[in-house]
Amino acid sequence: QVQLQESGPGLVKPSETLSLTCDVSGSSISSGYYWGWIRQPPGKGLEWIGSIYHSGSTFYSPSLRSRLTISVDTSKNQFSLNLRSVTAADTAVYYCARVILLGSLPDFFDIWGQGALVTVSS
Amino acid sequence: DIQMTQSPSTLSASVGDRVTITCRASQTISSSLAWYQQKPGKAPKLLIYLASTLDSGVPSRFSGSGSGTEFTLTISSLQPDDFATYYCQHYHTYSVTFGGGTKVEIK
Repeated sequence: QVQLQESGPGLVKPSETLSLTCDVSGSSISSGYYWGWIRQPPGKGLEWIGSIYHSGSTFYSPSLRSRLTISVDTSKNQFSLNLRSVTAADTAVYYCARVILLGSLPDFFDIWGQGALVTVSS
Repeated sequence: DIQMTQSPSTLSASVGDRVTITCRASQTISSSLAWYQQKPGKAPKLLIYLASTLDSGVPSRFSGSGSGTEFTLTISSLQPDDFATYYCQHYHTYSVTFGGGTKVEIK
C-alpha cells in the first residue's frame, strides 16, 4: 500500500531554513496525484502549506509563499519542503500527504505520513 | 481565504450517543468539503469527501451532509474508538483551509 515518510532535522535555529523530505513508497510519485505538506503547531489545528505535482507545478499557501519552496524529485520518488527565515511560530508537526484531484485543482488528503516534529529554537 | 468555523470546539458524549458536529464556511463552497478524524499523536485520517461520500473502510455510523456554507458530520452511535478530534477542510479553491477542530470527549 502507499506509504509516506517525512525526514529531516528536528531542531532548526531561528532565521535559518527548515528542510524536510517526504519519501513515497508503494506508488510512483508520477502517478497523477498532487503531493502536499500540512503542519500542526503543538496543541493547535491543521494548516495547509502547499502542494506539488510531479511536473513541478505548485500551489502555495498565501501566508507562507514568500518563504516557501516545494520541490519534487521523481528519480528518488520524493518531494521536499524548504521554509526560510523560520521563527518559533513555525514550530509544528509537519505532515506530508497524497492529494486527491477530483477536478483540475488539488483537493483533499487521503494518505498521510506519520508526521515530523520540527522545533525552532536557538 | 475561505474561513471554516467548527462548532462546538469540544463535545462530551457517551458511548451510543448520536453526535453532530457543524462546519460553516465564510462563503459558498458547493460540496467541496472533507472531514478528518485525528487521534492524539497520530496523523489525521480521511473520513468523508464531497461533503457526504465515505472514504473506503470508514464505518457506516459516520455520515456527512450539507452544501453551500453549512455542513454536518454525524456519528449515529458513538463507539469507544470514535473519541478523537474532528476537522473539516474545504477545497473549493486551491488555498484549502481547515476548521479549528472539534474534540469529542468521554462524558
